[in-house]
Amino acid sequence: SQQGEEDPQALSIQEGENATMNCSYKTSINNLQWYRQNSGRGLVHLILIRSNEREKHSGRLRVTLDTSKKSSSLLITASRAADTASYFCATDGFNDMRFGAGTRLTVKP
Amino acid sequence: EAGVTQFPSHSVIEKGQTVTLRCDPISGHDNLYWYRRVMGKEIKFLLHFVKESKQDESGMPNNRFLAERTGGTYSTLKVQPAELEDSGVYFCASSMNTEAFFGQGTRLTVV
Repeated sequence: SQQGEEDPQALSIQEGENATMNCSYKTSINNLQWYRQNSGRGLVHLILIRSNEREKHSGRLRVTLDTSKKSSSLLITASRAADTASYFCATDGFNDMRFGAGTRLTVKP
Repeated sequence: EAGVTQFPSHSVIEKGQTVTLRCDPISGHDNLYWYRRVMGKEIKFLLHFVKESKQDESGMPNNRFLAERTGGTYSTLKVQPAELEDSGVYFCASSMNTEAFFGQGTRLTVV
């Protein structure tokens, strides 16, 4: 069964705006990862946050993790048209990853 | 260092035919995963190898799918006979510990 559940399913914003996507999961995890998939291409690893971390930054990306609520959020600041893609969270419980359904982000120029 | 390599990148086959997808993981990675994304929907787990052993194959949809990992190195995923609903993008990933590295995927189209 799927582990991560992202919301919203689709998000459309203007270039320069911030985009926030959320992910919830069900069981205990060792870490949580966010991935991006551009249309027709492979998955690109964005960021990993460990279960003992609460927040992590990487460039324009900010990820938070709340293990008590079993949820994570991905914030993309100052979005660009090139950020248009599907974003997935994946949970890694005992080295066995599960993905959510993804959020389709469209950034309009 | 070479990343995860998948071959072919794209395959178009007729319903009823057989297709074999190949994944070469990063050298030294014991864990190898297969996933697929059908019709733009969620990415679904298919199975997980640890070296040459199948750790978890609970995501394999039916017995038309057969995965192998010869000698704990590369892996193949065979679909026989292919059905229309098998169309999608098949991803392979490998990991040593907690971070997985994905291949570019194989886009399978069954017509």
